[in-house]
Amino acid sequence: RKEVEQDPGPFNVPEGATVAFNCTYSNSASQSFFWYRQDCRKEPKLLMSVYSSGNEDGRFTAQLNRASQYISLLIRDSKLSDSATYLCVVNNAGNTGKLIFGQGTTLQVKP
Amino acid sequence: NAGVTQTPKFRILKIGQSMTLQCAQDMNHNYMYWYRQDPGMGLKLIYYSVGAGITDKGEVPNGYNVSRSTTEDFPLRLELAAPSQTSVYFCASSYDREEYFGEGSWLTVV
Repeated sequence: RKEVEQDPGPFNVPEGATVAFNCTYSNSASQSFFWYRQDCRKEPKLLMSVYSSGNEDGRFTAQLNRASQYISLLIRDSKLSDSATYLCVVNNAGNTGKLIFGQGTTLQVKP
Repeated sequence: NAGVTQTPKFRILKIGQSMTLQCAQDMNHNYMYWYRQDPGMGLKLIYYSVGAGITDKGEVPNGYNVSRSTTEDFPLRLELAAPSQTSVYFCASSYDREEYFGEGSWLTVV
C-alpha cells in the first residue's frame, strides 16, 4: 500500500464549479499535512497546510480526519487559473523534513 | 531573491556517462533534499541532508551520490547513467516544515 494515495483524475470541471479532492495516508503517526500545487513542467509550491481543526484560505478549504487517516481539499468557484496538479503531502518525521508526496490529482477547469 | 537554484535545466546524457546536478540555496536552510519525478507520478526522495557534512538515503538512492560540504550547496552525482534515470530532478530546502523547490532539471539518458 502506498504511504499517500490520491485519485489521479483528471477532474474536468466548468468554471465556477466546486470540486473536492481526497487523500488517504497509511502511517497513523503522521504529524504534518499539506497540499502543494504543481503547474505543468514547474516545481511544486505550497498551497496550504492542513490543521486538525480544518482551515480555509479564500476559496480553498482543507480538512483532516486523523481517525480515518484522510485529508481533503475543497475548491469553490473554480477559476481557469486553478488548473494544475494538486499534491497531498505528509510529514512523518516532525520538523526534520522528509515529506511524503502523493502522485497528485490533476484538475482541468474549462470555460 | 534567488531561493533554490538548480543547474543545468536540461541535459542529455549517453548511457554510461556521469554528471553532477548542482543545487544551491541562499536561505541558510539546514535541510536539503533531492527528488525525482517520473511522468504522471509523485516525487520520490533520492537523498536528503539535515546539515553540512550529514547526508542520508531516501527512497530511491541507487545510482546516485550526494555531498554536503557547505550549508548552501547540495550536488547530486549520477554515476554510469542509465535510461531508467531519465526523469525530472528537483532540489528543495527547508527550515521548518515548508519545502522550497528549485525549478527542476530535465535529464534524458539515451
